[in-house]
Parts: sequence; structure tokens; C-alpha cells
Amino acid sequence: AQSVTQLGSHVSVSEGALVLLRCNYSSSVPPYLFWYVQYPNQGLQLLLKYTSAATLVKGINGFEAEFKKSETSFHLTKPSAHMSDAAEYFCAVSDPSQGAQKLVFGQGTRLTINP
Amino acid sequence: DVKVTQSSRYLVKRTGEKVFLECVQDMDHENMFWYRQDPGLGLRLIYFSYDVKMKEKGDIPEGYSVSREKKERFSLILESASTNQTSMYLCASTPFGSYNSPLHFGNGTRLTVT
Repeated sequence: AQSVTQLGSHVSVSEGALVLLRCNYSSSVPPYLFWYVQYPNQGLQLLLKYTSAATLVKGINGFEAEFKKSETSFHLTKPSAHMSDAAEYFCAVSDPSQGAQKLVFGQGTRLTINP
Repeated sequence: DVKVTQSSRYLVKRTGEKVFLECVQDMDHENMFWYRQDPGLGLRLIYFSYDVKMKEKGDIPEGYSVSREKKERFSLILESASTNQTSMYLCASTPFGSYNSPLHFGNGTRLTVT
């Protein structure tokens, strides 16, 4: 079964610093990969998705992620953190070979921004 | 914009009660999902449905059932609520057949069982 691992349940960075949130997946075939963000008291919203068109994917709010097949990774980055980036971030994978159109989520990483 | 609406933001129920969580989407999506969100565990799939009256178990279906009588509505049922079902419940929808389509989520229902 496919799985997703997010390294670090909590990440804290200073405002203006680089944000790096790590995600590794296990899948026997190239999957579809997603990053979602959840602000307090809200549902999840899509940040970006990888669908094999390009390995570097740009999303909303200045975030981007790079698909590295050799490392089975899809890490999320942002060059300069803003206070409004404080939220919980989820990596997810969809594997068509499983025959069901559903996502498997990682454990989540809570991002804190220090002023 | 796709809108997924969950009928309650907060619910408090007693152990043993039958609980209904309702979800409605307005974009004619075939697929609908119920996830449970717990700290440190991420989102775990309870049930999903790809058509009216169709349902499939997810990873943690025990203690839950679902109903999909109309395309736009997907209900999660706790037949006899227990304290270990205290959690955040998230409903989502997506069009059928497109594996790269993102899920559209509701704002969640935070259920407390006492």
C-alpha cells in the first residue's frame, strides 16, 4: 500500500527565512502528489500538485515543490516565510494503480513563524 | 468555486447516541469522501462513494456507516458514538475519473463525544 511520510511534525522558522517541509512517499508507479494547507478552524485547501508535466511545481502564496523520483520525495519550499504562512501542511499521494481515486495523507507538519 | 458544506462546525454528543454528520457539494462531483483528522495521524479515510447508493470502505470504517441517496449529499453515521470517536471530521469531493484532480474540502465538523 502506498504511504506518505512527513519528516517533522513541527517546524519553526523566522519571518523572512527559508521554509522547507519534507515529504517522502512510497509508490510502485509514478504517483500524483499534492500539498494542502490548513489554516486554523478551516478545511484543507490545495497549495500545489504534481502530475508529471514538470518536476518543479509552483503553487499559491509563493510555495513550490520539486518531485525527485530517485529520492521518492516531494519537498515543499518557500524562499521567504511570512507570518501568514503559519498553518498545518499536508502532503498527499494518489496512486492510479490502486484503482480508486482517493488520497493518502501524511501526518501533517505544523509551521510556526517567529517574528 | 466548488463549495462543500458541512452542516455543523461543532457537535457535542453523549456516548451511545446515534450521530449524523451531513455534507453537501454543489459542483455535481461523483466522488465524495469522509476523512477523520487527529493530531499526529493526519487524515485517515473512513468511507468514500463514487456514485449514488455506492460506497466503499476506507482505512478506518469500524464504527461508522454512510449514506448517499442523492449525488450532492453524503452522510456519515455513527451508530453508537463512543469517546474514541471524538475528532475532526472532514468531507471532500472530486470529479470521477481524474486522478490529478484535487479534493475540495468542507470546513470540518469537530465532534466531541462525552
